[in-house]
Amino acid sequence: EIVLTQSPGTLSLSPGERATLSCRASQSVSSSYLAWYQQKPGQAPRLLIYGASSRATGIPDRFSGSGSGTDFTLTISRLEPEDFAVYYCQQYGSSPETFGQGTKVEIK
Amino acid sequence: QVTLKESGPVLVKPTETLTLTCTVSGFSLSNARMGVSWIRQPPGKALEWLAHIFSNDEKSYSTSLKSRLTISKDTSKSQVVLTMTNMDPVDTATYYCARIDGIGGGGALTGWGQGTLVTVSS
Repeated sequence: EIVLTQSPGTLSLSPGERATLSCRASQSVSSSYLAWYQQKPGQAPRLLIYGASSRATGIPDRFSGSGSGTDFTLTISRLEPEDFAVYYCQQYGSSPETFGQGTKVEIK
Repeated sequence: QVTLKESGPVLVKPTETLTLTCTVSGFSLSNARMGVSWIRQPPGKALEWLAHIFSNDEKSYSTSLKSRLTISKDTSKSQVVLTMTNMDPVDTATYYCARIDGIGGGGALTGWGQGTLVTVSS
């Protein structure tokens, strides 16, 4: 089973700043089948990025994903007030699928 | 418009079996490269993937919960059912179903239900 480790656990930033979130896998993620989700309190998660770097439908271009193999990054170029939330990575390239433990992006 | 909706009991007793139903609309469970996953989230904790089923009936389960889970689908009813046996208070969580989109989403979870909170208590 592939274990995903996200860092940092919490990121304290101000609106307008750049956010860089990391997701490291215990084994190589097949064909870059790595996704990022955003979750706000009381809501279901929402897909942001799939295939490590493809933005999902309707996702603003301030969100970008990169990486391959075992190291992946989600970057938010300029934080908007609505971007403060918890972010999860997920690998779906091999069964069982797994999620990371999440990174909370909070207002500084 | 793709929608998913979870249904099932809000309260179950320890040792009982939980049965959850995910009813989908806006896509067919028989569409190639489509499927449904179940994910849960204990209060204040992270997401945990539980199981998935694809249109070709391929199934996969969480390693730690495999012995307790069964996933199935009824294409004619547009429903996916998850059963979890021998429920324990640690299984208290919000349970989500989500669409696996192998075409537009590369296999990621492109649509989610609102979730249903299941509490395990005597």
